[in-house]
Amino acid sequence: QVQLQESGPGLVKPSETLSLTCAVSGYSISSGYYWGWVRQPPGKGQEWIGNIYHSGSTYLNPSLKSRVTISVDTSKNQISLKLSSVTAADTAVYHCARLAVAGFCDFWGQGTLVTVSS
Amino acid sequence: EIVMTQSPATLSVSPGERATLSCRASQSVSSNLAWYQQQPGQAPRLLIYGASIRATGIPARFSGSGSGTEFTLTISILQSEDFAVYYCQQYDNWPPITFGQGTRLEIK
Repeated sequence: QVQLQESGPGLVKPSETLSLTCAVSGYSISSGYYWGWVRQPPGKGQEWIGNIYHSGSTYLNPSLKSRVTISVDTSKNQISLKLSSVTAADTAVYHCARLAVAGFCDFWGQGTLVTVSS
Repeated sequence: EIVMTQSPATLSVSPGERATLSCRASQSVSSNLAWYQQQPGQAPRLLIYGASIRATGIPARFSGSGSGTEFTLTISILQSEDFAVYYCQQYDNWPPITFGQGTRLEIK
């Protein structure tokens, strides 16, 4: 069974960089699929952040592209997210997910709440 | 960007009855539409992809239909564990992948 587990600081100060890691077990990232991030602000719907393939190719949401970096470490079987210059609007539960090539998410992590506040 | 609109925002149905949830796309997404269920504090779970294909392990009481811009998720006989929030997502024309705002299915 594929399992994904997000980790990282739960509190980030405004203007700083949010950094999260997603550890994958039960499947090798190198074997295929996209791996990505989706966030859910409190009381709102899901927002797709971006995906990465094991080769390193990335697809990012144009609305966040200038602030987002997604990377993959196949040796550790994990992906990472960096979101720079955060504001309170970036407060959300951040999920990592496995995506089929078509683009739907077949496995999700539990999610981690990141609050942006001074 | 394709905008996904779900209705209603909240649906109240009694256990054992049928629930029908709607999702509309701002332009055609063909059959590239997925549905997810999310329980409070849990990860979303894939229910349907390809508009009508049940994901592995999903009970037959969940069915999806539609194509183009209008889609429906039907839960034929509601069980207690089905009360949750449901999201639709298009993956026809991405980036970006876009989600609906969700429908909360609550016990009547």
